[in-house]
Amino acid sequence: RKEVEQDPGPFNVPEGATVAFNCTYSNSASQSFFWYRQDCRKEPKLLMSVYSSGNEDGRFTAQLNRASQYISLLIRDSKLSDSATYLCAVNNNDMRFGAGTRLTVKP
Amino acid sequence: NAGVMQNPRHLVRRRGQEARLRCSPMKGHSHVYWYRQLPEEGLKFMVYLQKENIIDESGMPKERFSAEFPKEGPSILRIQQVVRGDSAAYFCASRGETGIFIGGYNEQFFGPGTRLTVL
Repeated sequence: RKEVEQDPGPFNVPEGATVAFNCTYSNSASQSFFWYRQDCRKEPKLLMSVYSSGNEDGRFTAQLNRASQYISLLIRDSKLSDSATYLCAVNNNDMRFGAGTRLTVKP
Repeated sequence: NAGVMQNPRHLVRRRGQEARLRCSPMKGHSHVYWYRQLPEEGLKFMVYLQKENIIDESGMPKERFSAEFPKEGPSILRIQQVVRGDSAAYFCASRGETGIFIGGYNEQFFGPGTRLTVL
Protein backbone atom coordinates (compact mmCIF):
# COMPACT_ATOMS: atom_id res chain seq x y z
CA ARG A 1 0.00 0.00 0.00
CA LYS A 2 1.32 3.44 -0.91
CA GLU A 3 2.03 5.79 1.96
CA VAL A 4 -0.04 8.54 0.41
CA GLU A 5 -2.74 7.92 -2.16
CA GLN A 6 -4.70 10.29 -4.34
CA ASP A 7 -7.16 9.89 -7.14
CA PRO A 8 -5.07 10.89 -10.19
CA GLY A 9 -8.05 12.36 -11.98
CA PRO A 10 -8.18 14.15 -14.27
CA PHE A 11 -10.96 16.33 -12.98
CA ASN A 12 -12.46 18.44 -15.74
CA VAL A 13 -14.84 21.05 -14.39
CA PRO A 14 -16.46 24.22 -15.72
CA GLU A 15 -15.59 27.60 -14.32
CA GLY A 16 -17.47 28.34 -11.13
CA ALA A 17 -17.78 24.71 -10.12
CA THR A 18 -16.88 23.35 -6.72
CA VAL A 19 -14.40 20.51 -6.75
CA ALA A 20 -13.06 18.35 -3.94
CA PHE A 21 -9.96 16.19 -3.72
CA ASN A 22 -9.26 13.54 -1.15
CA CYS A 23 -6.00 12.03 -0.06
CA THR A 24 -5.45 9.07 2.25
CA TYR A 25 -2.33 8.26 4.22
CA SER A 26 -1.20 5.04 5.82
CA ASN A 27 0.97 6.20 8.72
CA SER A 28 -1.23 7.03 11.66
CA ALA A 29 1.71 8.74 13.36
CA SER A 30 1.92 11.40 10.65
CA GLN A 31 2.19 14.82 12.18
CA SER A 32 1.60 17.46 9.59
CA PHE A 33 -0.21 17.73 6.32
CA PHE A 34 -0.05 19.98 3.30
CA TRP A 35 -1.50 20.64 -0.10
CA TYR A 36 0.89 21.68 -2.86
CA ARG A 37 0.08 22.95 -6.31
CA GLN A 38 2.22 22.08 -9.30
CA ASP A 39 1.88 23.73 -12.66
CA CYS A 40 3.04 21.96 -15.79
CA ARG A 41 6.84 21.64 -15.87
CA LYS A 42 7.21 23.71 -12.73
CA GLU A 43 8.14 22.92 -9.16
CA PRO A 44 5.50 22.23 -6.51
CA LYS A 45 4.52 25.21 -4.43
CA LEU A 46 2.83 25.15 -1.08
CA LEU A 47 -0.86 25.94 -1.36
CA MET A 48 -1.82 25.51 2.26
CA SER A 49 -1.09 23.61 5.41
CA VAL A 50 -3.85 21.47 6.83
CA TYR A 51 -4.71 22.04 10.47
CA SER A 52 -6.58 19.64 12.70
CA SER A 53 -9.48 22.03 13.01
CA GLY A 54 -9.65 22.61 9.28
CA ASN A 55 -8.70 25.84 7.64
CA GLU A 56 -9.88 28.12 4.90
CA ASP A 57 -8.03 30.49 2.63
CA GLY A 58 -10.34 32.34 0.29
CA ARG A 59 -11.90 29.82 -2.06
CA PHE A 60 -9.82 26.96 -0.67
CA THR A 61 -10.75 24.83 2.33
CA ALA A 62 -8.58 22.06 3.73
CA GLN A 63 -9.69 19.49 6.25
CA LEU A 64 -8.07 16.68 8.15
CA ASN A 65 -9.74 13.54 9.42
CA ARG A 66 -7.26 11.72 11.63
CA ALA A 67 -9.62 8.90 12.52
CA SER A 68 -10.06 7.95 8.87
CA GLN A 69 -6.58 9.11 7.89
CA TYR A 70 -7.48 11.39 5.06
CA ILE A 71 -7.17 15.02 4.13
CA SER A 72 -9.29 16.93 1.70
CA LEU A 73 -9.11 20.07 -0.38
CA LEU A 74 -12.20 21.91 -1.52
CA ILE A 75 -12.04 24.58 -4.20
CA ARG A 76 -15.10 26.77 -4.58
CA ASP A 77 -15.96 28.95 -7.57
CA SER A 78 -13.13 27.45 -9.56
CA LYS A 79 -11.19 29.67 -11.95
CA LEU A 80 -9.34 28.87 -15.14
CA SER A 81 -6.15 29.68 -13.26
CA ASP A 82 -6.83 26.86 -10.81
CA SER A 83 -5.92 24.36 -13.52
CA ALA A 84 -2.91 22.48 -12.16
CA THR A 85 -1.94 19.29 -10.40
CA TYR A 86 -2.63 19.23 -6.68
CA LEU A 87 -0.34 17.15 -4.51
CA CYS A 88 -1.07 16.19 -0.95
CA ALA A 89 1.88 15.76 1.35
CA VAL A 90 2.09 14.01 4.67
CA ASN A 91 4.91 14.40 7.12
CA ASN A 92 6.16 12.20 9.91
CA ASN A 93 9.90 12.50 9.94
CA ASP A 94 10.02 12.98 6.20
CA MET A 95 7.56 14.30 3.69
CA ARG A 96 5.76 11.86 1.46
CA PHE A 97 3.78 13.08 -1.52
CA GLY A 98 0.82 11.68 -3.31
CA ALA A 99 1.00 11.25 -7.05
CA GLY A 100 -1.19 14.30 -7.55
CA THR A 101 -4.63 14.99 -8.89
CA ARG A 102 -4.87 16.88 -12.15
CA LEU A 103 -7.51 19.57 -12.38
CA THR A 104 -8.58 21.29 -15.57
CA VAL A 105 -11.04 24.14 -15.30
CA LYS A 106 -12.76 24.93 -18.58
CA PRO A 107 -14.60 28.03 -19.70
CA ASN B 1 16.19 36.09 0.14
CA ALA B 2 17.00 33.69 -2.64
CA GLY B 3 14.98 30.54 -2.83
CA VAL B 4 16.21 27.04 -3.44
CA MET B 5 18.51 26.99 -6.42
CA GLN B 6 19.21 24.07 -8.68
CA ASN B 7 21.56 23.75 -11.57
CA PRO B 8 21.70 22.92 -14.27
CA ARG B 9 18.06 23.40 -15.18
CA HIS B 10 18.40 21.07 -18.12
CA LEU B 11 20.96 18.33 -18.52
CA VAL B 12 21.44 16.01 -21.47
CA ARG B 13 23.59 12.93 -21.13
CA ARG B 14 24.29 9.89 -23.26
CA ARG B 15 23.85 6.43 -21.84
CA GLY B 16 26.79 5.49 -19.66
CA GLN B 17 27.79 9.02 -18.76
CA GLU B 18 27.58 10.58 -15.33
CA ALA B 19 25.07 13.21 -14.25
CA ARG B 20 25.69 15.64 -11.41
CA LEU B 21 22.80 17.69 -10.12
CA ARG B 22 23.35 20.54 -7.67
CA CYS B 23 21.07 22.05 -5.10
CA SER B 24 21.67 25.09 -2.96
CA PRO B 25 19.10 25.29 -0.16
CA MET B 26 17.49 28.45 1.05
CA LYS B 27 19.63 30.54 3.33
CA GLY B 28 19.59 29.16 6.82
CA HIS B 29 18.18 25.78 5.79
CA SER B 30 20.20 22.73 6.70
CA HIS B 31 17.79 20.01 5.59
CA VAL B 32 17.71 18.95 1.96
CA TYR B 33 15.48 16.47 0.17
CA TRP B 34 15.75 15.07 -3.32
CA TYR B 35 12.75 13.87 -5.30
CA ARG B 36 12.34 12.36 -8.72
CA GLN B 37 9.34 12.95 -10.92
CA LEU B 38 8.78 10.86 -13.99
CA PRO B 39 6.58 12.28 -16.76
CA GLU B 40 2.92 12.27 -15.75
CA GLU B 41 3.75 10.90 -12.31
CA GLY B 42 4.00 12.24 -8.80
CA LEU B 43 7.01 13.09 -6.72
CA LYS B 44 8.97 10.18 -5.43
CA PHE B 45 11.14 10.69 -2.39
CA MET B 46 14.75 9.70 -2.91
CA VAL B 47 16.94 10.93 -0.07
CA TYR B 48 16.98 13.25 2.90
CA LEU B 49 20.22 14.87 4.02
CA GLN B 50 21.30 17.17 6.74
CA LYS B 51 24.67 18.85 6.64
CA GLU B 52 27.29 16.11 6.09
CA ASN B 53 24.83 13.36 6.98
CA ILE B 54 22.45 11.15 5.08
CA ILE B 55 19.37 10.81 7.25
CA ASP B 56 17.15 8.67 5.05
CA GLU B 57 18.07 7.17 1.70
CA SER B 58 15.25 4.65 1.54
CA GLY B 59 14.09 6.01 -1.81
CA MET B 60 17.44 5.86 -3.54
CA PRO B 61 18.17 3.09 -6.02
CA LYS B 62 20.83 0.84 -4.57
CA GLU B 63 23.18 1.21 -7.50
CA ARG B 64 24.52 4.14 -9.50
CA PHE B 65 22.87 6.83 -7.35
CA SER B 66 24.54 8.73 -4.54
CA ALA B 67 23.97 11.99 -2.72
CA GLU B 68 25.97 14.24 -0.49
CA PHE B 69 25.56 17.51 1.35
CA PRO B 70 28.99 18.73 2.39
CA LYS B 71 29.69 21.21 5.12
CA GLU B 72 30.42 23.82 2.50
CA GLY B 73 28.73 24.04 -0.86
CA PRO B 74 25.62 22.65 -2.45
CA SER B 75 24.06 19.25 -2.14
CA ILE B 76 24.95 16.96 -5.03
CA LEU B 77 22.90 14.15 -6.50
CA ARG B 78 25.14 11.97 -8.62
CA ILE B 79 23.97 9.39 -11.12
CA GLN B 80 26.63 7.17 -12.61
CA GLN B 81 26.30 5.31 -15.90
CA VAL B 82 22.97 6.86 -16.71
CA VAL B 83 20.31 4.88 -18.54
CA ARG B 84 17.26 6.08 -20.45
CA GLY B 85 15.03 5.27 -17.49
CA ASP B 86 16.83 7.93 -15.47
CA SER B 87 15.26 10.62 -17.64
CA ALA B 88 13.08 12.61 -15.27
CA ALA B 89 12.75 15.87 -13.42
CA TYR B 90 14.77 15.92 -10.21
CA PHE B 91 13.59 18.34 -7.58
CA CYS B 92 15.39 19.44 -4.51
CA ALA B 93 13.60 20.89 -1.48
CA SER B 94 14.92 22.44 1.69
CA ARG B 95 13.52 23.30 5.07
CA GLY B 96 14.61 24.96 8.24
CA GLU B 97 14.44 23.60 11.74
CA THR B 98 11.04 22.72 13.14
CA GLY B 99 10.22 24.98 16.02
CA ILE B 100 7.41 25.36 18.45
CA PHE B 101 6.79 28.86 17.15
CA ILE B 102 5.67 27.50 13.83
CA GLY B 103 3.57 24.81 15.38
CA GLY B 104 5.86 22.02 14.35
CA TYR B 105 5.11 22.39 10.69
CA ASN B 106 8.16 21.88 8.58
CA GLU B 107 7.28 23.21 5.20
CA GLN B 108 9.56 22.28 2.36
CA PHE B 109 10.45 24.78 -0.33
CA PHE B 110 11.23 23.43 -3.75
CA GLY B 111 13.80 24.41 -6.29
CA PRO B 112 12.91 24.74 -10.00
CA GLY B 113 14.19 21.26 -10.74
CA THR B 114 16.72 19.76 -13.11
CA ARG B 115 15.34 18.03 -16.16
CA LEU B 116 17.60 15.18 -17.09
CA THR B 117 17.36 13.67 -20.54
CA VAL B 118 19.33 10.56 -21.33
CA LEU B 119 19.83 9.92 -25.02
